[in-house]
Amino acid sequence: DAGVTQSPTHLIKTRGQQVTLRCSPKSGHDTVSWYQQALGQGPQFIFQYYEEEERQRGNFPDRFSGHQFPNYSSELNVNALLLGDSALYLCASSLVAGTDYGYTFGSGTRLTVV
Amino acid sequence: QKEVEQNSGPLSVPEGAIASLNCTYSDRGSQSFFWYRQYSGKSPELIMFIYSNGDKEDGRFTAQLNKASQYVSLLIRDSQPSDSATYLCALRIGANSKLTFGKGITLSVRP
Repeated sequence: DAGVTQSPTHLIKTRGQQVTLRCSPKSGHDTVSWYQQALGQGPQFIFQYYEEEERQRGNFPDRFSGHQFPNYSSELNVNALLLGDSALYLCASSLVAGTDYGYTFGSGTRLTVV
Repeated sequence: QKEVEQNSGPLSVPEGAIASLNCTYSDRGSQSFFWYRQYSGKSPELIMFIYSNGDKEDGRFTAQLNKASQYVSLLIRDSQPSDSATYLCALRIGANSKLTFGKGITLSVRP
């Protein structure tokens, strides 16, 4: 049973560029959430996708956008990268009708903006 | 006041001791509480969740929830060096809502 898979694992981008991160949820899960974790901090919620729609959004600017595909996989796009966007980006999947087991996290994408 | 607060740490305990990790929260509407363990450079791994007042035990781990006092704690009995990691407290207000995390506390278990 495959867990949550994210790609790429590491990425280096230049300020002002755009980046796309990808996530495949755990088998059987239909909801994908994205989190940003800066060094020494807890993960911060970016947004959640269910049924190909953004259902909830955290306090992140519009430079952060996403998409969910019919197979439940998801992408996170960040435009006009800033140095402060350097962080570990985590994807978490869950089942909307599931019990309170929290979310299953992927191994993350480490983004470095230079 | 931050939504989820954890002791700043780091916390250091000798091998075999009980490690006590505490977390307080501000939103009384919080329904579910989670403890995640995160090794350096890795993603968070769910250890336990709790949503009813009282204690919940799973092996060497015990989660304690007191909604009246708005705190949740994690006890690790017989601590092992392999327990050395950052422990993240998180809560959820409603089903399928976002997880709100604390900053985390780093635990070091000395052999």
